[in-house]
Amino acid sequence: SQTIHQWPATLVQPVGSPLSLECTVEGTSNPNLYWYRQAAGRGLQLLFYSVGIGQISSEVPQNLSASRPQDRQFILSSKKLLLSDSGFYLCAWRVSQLGTPNFGPGTRLTVT
Amino acid sequence: AQSVTQLDSHVSVSEGTPVLLRCNYSSSYSPSLFWYVQHPNKGLQLLLKYTSAATLVKGINGFEAEFKKSETSFHLTKPSAHMSDAAEYFCVVSDNFGNEKLTFGTGTRLTIIP
Repeated sequence: SQTIHQWPATLVQPVGSPLSLECTVEGTSNPNLYWYRQAAGRGLQLLFYSVGIGQISSEVPQNLSASRPQDRQFILSSKKLLLSDSGFYLCAWRVSQLGTPNFGPGTRLTVT
Repeated sequence: AQSVTQLDSHVSVSEGTPVLLRCNYSSSYSPSLFWYVQHPNKGLQLLLKYTSAATLVKGINGFEAEFKKSETSFHLTKPSAHMSDAAEYFCVVSDNFGNEKLTFGTGTRLTIIP
């Protein structure tokens, strides 16, 4: 069966510090991968998606970046965090454009 | 282009009464539609999905939704609310052709009154 992992589960970082959030998927090959952010009391905002290794599409570049160094690994990064980066970050995968999206447990990021 | 509108940001119902969460969509192509539930500080759990098969879709925990193309709607219903249904609900649309994006509604917070 397929599973999706995200870590860390929670993170508290000062403004200006770097960020690295990791997402891995098990039990499938060449999934489509997504990063979403959910700010407090708001809906989900698509940040990045990837249809293959090294292929990243950005929706809201700002000060965030994403990478896909391996088929089932998706990393969200920042060189310098902003207060506005606080939120709940969700990784998702699906088999293809026609597949059902499956979400990870999320990472709660608080920038202080 | 695709979009989703969840018509109610907050719905309150009494335990044991019916639930209706409304969702309207816009899609240039034949869409797939999903409903997800999110409990506090948790990820999203799939309730049900429509992918161009039967228009009445049954999901987990007694929820169901009906795809109405003429009304561009995909409303979520449940005959009898339970306290454990209290959560945030998201309607999601995905074009079956054209792009990889999933477009989320802004969510509906469901409160159950004892």
